[in-house]
Amino acid sequence: DQQVKQNSPSLSVQEGRISILNCDYTNSMFDYFLWYKKYPAEGPTFLISISSIKDKNEDGRFTVFLNKSAKHLSLHIVPSQPGDSAVYFCAAPATDKLIFGTGTRLQVFP
Amino acid sequence: DAGVTQSPTHLIKTRGQQVTLRCSPKSGHDTVSWYQQALGQGPQFIFQYYEEEERQRGNFPDRFSGHQFPNYSSELNVNALLLGDSALYLCASSLGQGTNTEAFFGQGTRLTVV
Repeated sequence: DQQVKQNSPSLSVQEGRISILNCDYTNSMFDYFLWYKKYPAEGPTFLISISSIKDKNEDGRFTVFLNKSAKHLSLHIVPSQPGDSAVYFCAAPATDKLIFGTGTRLQVFP
Repeated sequence: DAGVTQSPTHLIKTRGQQVTLRCSPKSGHDTVSWYQQALGQGPQFIFQYYEEEERQRGNFPDRFSGHQFPNYSSELNVNALLLGDSALYLCASSLGQGTNTEAFFGQGTRLTVV
C-alpha cells in the first residue's frame, strides 16, 4: 500500500524555467510533509517542509503547496538551476518513521 | 560537526552470507533509524533504535536485526542474504523518540548480493 506517491519518475526542465514536482498521498491523518533532495552517492538531505495548517511554504527558490482536499502537494523551484538536478522525494512522518514516495528525477539542462 | 557517517560505503556479499553495516549518528542525536532503498524506489523504513532498544519495525523479516550502543551508534545486521537484499541502506539520526521530522541521513551503504 503506497501511502505517498510520486507518479512522475522523471522531469526535464530548461535552466531558468520553473520545475514542478508533484506528490499525492492517501492517508488523511498525515499532517506534515517534507521534501528531500538526493544526489548520487549521497544520502537524502532535507529541503523544505509544510504543516497541514498551511497551504504554502516558501524558502528562497523553493515553494511547497499543499491541497488537503485533493491530498496533493507540489514543490516549485523557480528559477531552476543545473545544480538542482537530483532525485526529489516527498515524505510524510508516521509515528517513528518517514514514509517516502518513489522519487522524481529532475534534470535541469542549460 | 560531523554529520551521520556510515561504513562501509560499498559491500559485495554472496547469497547466504551475513553482513553488518555501521552508523554513527550526528553529534547530539540519540535516535537512529535504518532504511532500505531499492533501485527505483523510495527509502523503506526497517526499524528505529532509541535508548538501545528497537522502538518500531517496518515490514522486514527477522533476518534483519539491529543494535544500538551506549554512544548511540548503531549496527544493522542481515543474515542469510538474498539477491533481493541488494540495495542502498540508509541510516538516519534524530533527537528524541517520535516522528522523524528532523532526520539527517548518512550517505548510505551500497550492498550488492551476488
